[in-house]
Parts: sequence; structure tokens; C-alpha cells
Amino acid sequence: GEDVEQSLFLSVREGDSSVINCTYTDSSSTYLYWYKQEPGAGLQLLTYIFSNMDMKQDQRLTVLLNKKDKHLSLRIADTQTGDSAIYFCAERPGDSGYSTLTFGKGTMLLVSP
Amino acid sequence: DVKVTQSSRYLVKRTGEKVFLECVQDMDHENMFWYRQDPGLGLRLIYFSYDVKMKEKGDIPEGYSVSREKKERFSLILESASTNQTSMYLCASSFPRGNNSPLHFGNGTRLTVT
Repeated sequence: GEDVEQSLFLSVREGDSSVINCTYTDSSSTYLYWYKQEPGAGLQLLTYIFSNMDMKQDQRLTVLLNKKDKHLSLRIADTQTGDSAIYFCAERPGDSGYSTLTFGKGTMLLVSP
Repeated sequence: DVKVTQSSRYLVKRTGEKVFLECVQDMDHENMFWYRQDPGLGLRLIYFSYDVKMKEKGDIPEGYSVSREKKERFSLILESASTNQTSMYLCASSFPRGNNSPLHFGNGTRLTVT
């Protein structure tokens, strides 16, 4: 079955870059997503990438996709304390008939001043 | 902007009670989902619905049922709440497959069953 793996925890200093990594197993995935969850809140869509792209940039966020290795990363430039949150990687499996997504367990990003 | 509204942020219920969690979306989305989120387990899909009166089981449907009488509303029902259903419940909605249709989430309902 589908599986999405992420490291559980990342700690960085304010102003540094953060890189959150994700691996997935379904080679027919069409879209891959990054969500952010702040304490006590729901998941907020941050960005996404279509599987025929290898990079997408959106202000401080850069998404890199290595389809051969099934590896996705999210880079946050100039990380701020407000970026502290849990980040979820999610894939849309190729055989998902009803638009369900498979989520990783989330990476907690802690940004210290 | 898509708005997904969950009726309660916090709920405390007793074991054996029937519990209703309500979710409303304002974007005319066909698909609606219920997840629960637990530490160390991530998000797990309970049920989803792709149309009015239609429902599909997710990965952990046991102990839950759902109702979709109107397109904008999706209810999660705990027929007889148990302590192992203490969790954060997240509702989401999306357009059908075929487009880039990410899930849009509500703010969650933290349910405690005592």
C-alpha cells in the first residue's frame, strides 16, 4: 500500500534555512502537497507540486521533487519563529478514485531565536 | 477562500454517549472527509463522502458512522463514545479527482471522552 515517511523533528535557528524531507512509495502519484499545522489548529495548505515538475518556488518556500527516488523536500528560507509548526507531506496516489490523500506523520519544526 | 467550519473546537462527553461532530463547507465541494489525529499516528481517514447520501469507509471506520444529507454538511457520529475515541477530529473538503484538488481543512474538534 501507499506509505509516506517523514522525519519527526527538526530544530533550527531563526534566520537559517530549514529543509523538511519526505519519501513516498507510489510511483504513480500525481500531486504532492505540503501542509502546515499550527498548535491547536487544522491543516493549512502551503504549496503543492505536480509530478511532472522537479522544482517549485513560492516566496520563501522551495519544493524539490526527485521522482526517481520518490523524494520530496520543502525548503523554508530565512526561517522565522512563526514558522514553528508541524509540517505534513501528502501524496495523491495514482489509483485514488475519490481524491483521498495519504499523509505522512508530520515533522515538528522548532525555530529558536 | 475556502471555508470549512467545524461546529465545536472542544467537546467533553461521557462514555456511552452519542456524539455528533458537524462540519460545513462553503465552496460547493463534492468531496468531504473526516480524519482523526493522534500523537505518533498522524492523520487517519475515518470516512469520506463524494456526493450527497454517499459514503465510503476509510482506514478506521469502526465505532463511527457518517451522514451527508446536504452537499455542504458532513456529520460524524459516534454511536456510543468510548475513551479510545478521545482525539482531535479534522474535517476536510475538496473538488473531485481530475483537477489539482487539495484538501481544505477545518480547525478541528478536540473531543475528550471520560
